[in-house]
Amino acid sequence: ETGVTQTPRHLVMGMTNKKSLKCEQHLGHNAMYWYKQSAKKPLELMFVYSLEERVENNSVPSRFSPECPNSSHLFLHLHTLQPEDSALYLCASSLSGTYNEQFFGPGTRLTVL
Amino acid sequence: AQSVTQPDIHITVSEGASLELRCNYSYGATPYLFWYVQSPGQGLQLLLKYFSGDTLVQGIKGFEAEFKRSQSSFNLRKPSVHWSDAAEYFCAVGARGSSNTGKLIFGQGTTLQVKP
Repeated sequence: ETGVTQTPRHLVMGMTNKKSLKCEQHLGHNAMYWYKQSAKKPLELMFVYSLEERVENNSVPSRFSPECPNSSHLFLHLHTLQPEDSALYLCASSLSGTYNEQFFGPGTRLTVL
Repeated sequence: AQSVTQPDIHITVSEGASLELRCNYSYGATPYLFWYVQSPGQGLQLLLKYFSGDTLVQGIKGFEAEFKRSQSSFNLRKPSVHWSDAAEYFCAVGARGSSNTGKLIFGQGTTLQVKP
């Protein structure tokens, strides 16, 4: 595997389910990001991890819970989501430090029923 | 506050025609600017970036962009568009986040349609 991978690519869940999104980077980076991409809206930064420490949480509801067990893996745990949470969730990675370019995965298309 | 504006939500050009996608930014310091492209069902791919130096930057797939500080703009151009260029294009400005980790602030994107 190369680059940034995300699984699953598609996920349909009910509002009472619990699921997790997984991201893995094979680039030797040490910063990882979760973004939400909704129709007709700019990409929204959700969380940033640098050196496995969460350094940014952009007022994301607690029904989204990130986890970064090591510099190569990032998870987004989901529970009791709302239909408005349906979106494309993108993971990205970069070298830690300012202004380094970010490399994106293909995304997970999430539908909440 | 930092922001990025892409005034054109949707653009249609004929194959072989030239292309310019507009991007305006608001940022207090020297901006770090990026253009990304997203094909349907895919993540974002970096086309080019500007950090400093020459204000005309070359990217992949024949794209270039020009940084104009006086106009707070970073427009993307291509002299001759190919059908495979049909995609969504995002302009972004790099900002300093917490703990000196960078973050990107994206525009809303421009959807490019290419007519045969």
